[in-house]
Order: sequence, then structure tokens, then C-alpha cells
Amino acid sequence: QSVLTQPPSVSGAPGQRVTISCTGTTSNIGAGYDVHWYQKLPGTAPKVLIYGNINRPSGVPDRFSGSKSGTSASLVITGLQAEDEADYYCQSYDRSLSGLAVFGGGTKLTVL
Amino acid sequence: EVQLVQSGAEVKKPGESLKISCVVNGYSFGDYWIAWVRQAPGEGLEWVGVVWPGDSHTIYSPAFQGQVTISVDISVNTAYLQWTSLKASDSAIYYCTRTENFHNSGWFDAWGQGTLVSVSS
Repeated sequence: QSVLTQPPSVSGAPGQRVTISCTGTTSNIGAGYDVHWYQKLPGTAPKVLIYGNINRPSGVPDRFSGSKSGTSASLVITGLQAEDEADYYCQSYDRSLSGLAVFGGGTKLTVL
Repeated sequence: EVQLVQSGAEVKKPGESLKISCVVNGYSFGDYWIAWVRQAPGEGLEWVGVVWPGDSHTIYSPAFQGQVTISVDISVNTAYLQWTSLKASDSAIYYCTRTENFHNSGWFDAWGQGTLVSVSS
């Protein structure tokens, strides 16, 4: 049972928009900790897509955007492309665990 | 270029010991925390623990406390993850990664390629 809750799967057709949610509590996201998002393609290491809730590292397309409100965060992908098919993970920290890092359970994105 | 290069895949029997490594290049080893993250077969990412290379201060996830040991050798820019007695449930891919600011909302901005650990009798 992950501390941060994500939907197990989402799907969308090419060109569409999808949203992946990350739900936490007042001990983690709601406590003010930032949320970061990672993309994990099969057989490769995770790659940071969004850091600090809304920021994209250089090289990440602006089709990817993040937001945070209250005890939740979201990753939005617009103009869905076949190569976006991957697992996506949110990550934050939890003060009930002495400020330790926590990951969401991951969401499998399928491009139809 | 920042690189974290991990040691190769390992096949072990239950009860055996193991130490895997993560060599870093392209930045000052002492400026970033090094973390280990596990992905068991069919599962998501789990944070194992983290070490500050400057003084080897180590913090473990409660789920992994006492099960693994994280260490560093700053002279060779290397972090380690070790087991004294492996179990089948330790079978997973282990990634090393770095963060500039653990605790205070730091993110993991560079990752090793992963080390596959297989434990079977």
C-alpha cells in the first residue's frame, strides 16, 4: 500500500489529453512537500519529468505539465504520442516518516 | 556529463551475501545525497535509503531498516548497497540515484542504469 495513491492505469488516443492524479494526506503533499513526477519506460531507469510540482527539466516537452493543490497533485499530458506509453510515478516526502521519501504506486499509461 | 554507473546483474542463492555498487562521474560526489530505489518484479518504485557521502550519514526506509546496508567510499566516488543474507524476496532491480536536497523536497535528477538482483535456490 503506497503512501501516495495513483490510479493503476489510464489510457488515451494519440492527440488526446490525459491526467494522472497523485493523492496524499496532510502528512505529505498537504504538509507542503513538493511533488515530483517520473517517467519509466520498460527496461530503462526512471527519468524526472516534473520537479517542484510544476517545473520541467530542460528537454522535457511542454506537453507535460504538473500541478498541486491541497493534498493532491496531477500530471497532465496533452497531445498524447505513442512514445508516451510508460509508467508514471509521483514522489514526495512524508513527515510522519521523519521526512522520508515516498513514491506513488505508479500509473500505466496506454496509448490506444 | 553526470553519470551513475552501476555494477552488473547478480544471481545469488538465499542466504548468500552481496554488495552492489554505483560509481558516479561528472559532478562532485560530496555535493549530492545518493539514494537507492528498488523495483520488484511487477511492482512500483520503493525508496530503500539514502546516504550523504560527506560523512556517510545514512537514513533507511522503515521497510528496509536492518535488511540492507548503504555505504560509500568517497575516494573512488562509489556508493554501495549490501546484504548479509539474501532472501528470494530481495529479487528486484535496484537503482541508485542522486538528490541535492533530501528531506526538503529534493527530487532525483540522475539515475543509474539499474542492477538486477536475482535470488533463487
